[in-house]
Amino acid sequence: NAGVTQTPKFRVLKTGQSMTLLCAQDMNHEYMYWYRQDPGMGLRLIHYSVGEGTTAKGEVPDGYNVSRLKKQNFLLGLESAAPSQTSVYFCASSYTNTEAFFGQGTRLTVV
Amino acid sequence: GENVEQHPSTLSVQEGDSAVIKCTYSDSASNYFPWYKQELGKGPQLIIDIRSNVGEKKDQRIAVTLNKTAKHFSLHITETQPEDSAVYFCAASVTHSGAGSYQLTFGKGTKLSVIP
Repeated sequence: NAGVTQTPKFRVLKTGQSMTLLCAQDMNHEYMYWYRQDPGMGLRLIHYSVGEGTTAKGEVPDGYNVSRLKKQNFLLGLESAAPSQTSVYFCASSYTNTEAFFGQGTRLTVV
Repeated sequence: GENVEQHPSTLSVQEGDSAVIKCTYSDSASNYFPWYKQELGKGPQLIIDIRSNVGEKKDQRIAVTLNKTAKHFSLHITETQPEDSAVYFCAASVTHSGAGSYQLTFGKGTKLSVIP
């Protein structure tokens, strides 16, 4: 059972480049989330989805877009990467809006 | 919105001693309080959670207490072992029975070091 899988695990981008982070879960969870983790800042919610075809903004949504075209996948896009988006990104999913299962993280560096 | 404060940011204990991490929250509507453990290079993993209708919950060496009046909750780890060394996060959220607004707000984390 893979759980929550994030792709890629590491990425280096140049300022202004775009990229998409993929999150896939095989637990048939309705809820999916994208967080960013920065030193001393804990985990901050970027966007989330309560079901296929739905998305909503979290605490720090600016500069990011998301899509949930399939129930098992939640994509996080950076249209024009900035150094301030250097971070570790975590995807999570949950059956209800309670216990969340996290992926292994994507370490993104924007230079 | 919800604000979760977590203390201390770092904690060192001798193996076998107890460790206590404390969190406070601001939104009186919050009713779900999970604790996550994050090991180096991995994603956070739920270790215990408590809901607002319960004052205390225990699972082997780990316990969580909740004081709704004071809006604070704590993680207690007894008989600490080196494998307990990790970063611990508290969180708070308002849960609803159906789909709707949802925010899981995390504290900034506590790095626990258990010294053999």
